[in-house]
Amino acid sequence: EVQLVESGGGLVQPGGSLRLSCAASGFTFSSYEMNWVRQAPGKGLEWVSYISSSGSTIYYADSVKGRFTISRDNAKNSLYLQMNSLRAEDTAVYYCARVGHYDILTADVWGQGTTVTVSS
Amino acid sequence: DIQMTQSPSSLSASVGDRVTITCRASQGISNYLAWFQQKPGKAPKSLIYAASSLQSGVPSKFSGSGSGTDFTLTISNLQPEDFATYYCQQYNSYPWTFGQGTKVEIK
Repeated sequence: EVQLVESGGGLVQPGGSLRLSCAASGFTFSSYEMNWVRQAPGKGLEWVSYISSSGSTIYYADSVKGRFTISRDNAKNSLYLQMNSLRAEDTAVYYCARVGHYDILTADVWGQGTTVTVSS
Repeated sequence: DIQMTQSPSSLSASVGDRVTITCRASQGISNYLAWFQQKPGKAPKSLIYAASSLQSGVPSKFSGSGSGTDFTLTISNLQPEDFATYYCQQYNSYPWTFGQGTKVEIK
């Protein structure tokens, strides 16, 4: 079964750091591009970051550029999001999402999400 | 960035109804348009890609159309499990952007 499982969320003070992980199983992780997407409480979906299958190409939303770092370890079938200098507006559920192959060039598989709360 | 605008923001419908949600892009995106369904407390579920192609396992009651800037999602024969929030998303270019969502509620 194709599966993505996020972990690492929690409560953190403003200015703090957190590292999210996304464990992939049921597919050849190294062949797929990946994204992080977040959803603030009661709000819509917001794209956060993208990483190519090899890790050589990376994009960030302007709202997180310079503070968040996306990475992956294909040997461990894992995707990461290092979040520094966290702000209250980063409070959200964070989802990892796989980019499909062939003509499915968008998210086709989503994790269940992990909740990040930034508050003092 | 490409802005995505959905309408309506919410709608009320009855079981068995057919509903249509529209999505407009601020610039042409060819057919790089996806639709997602999200239920409360759950992750989004991928429904449609390339404007009109169903993801594997998605029933044919869901259909999508459009190209360029204007797109629609139609849900036929609404069932209780279809009441959810639906999002459109463009993937013509990064940053990916999503519509604000359309909440489909039971009348």
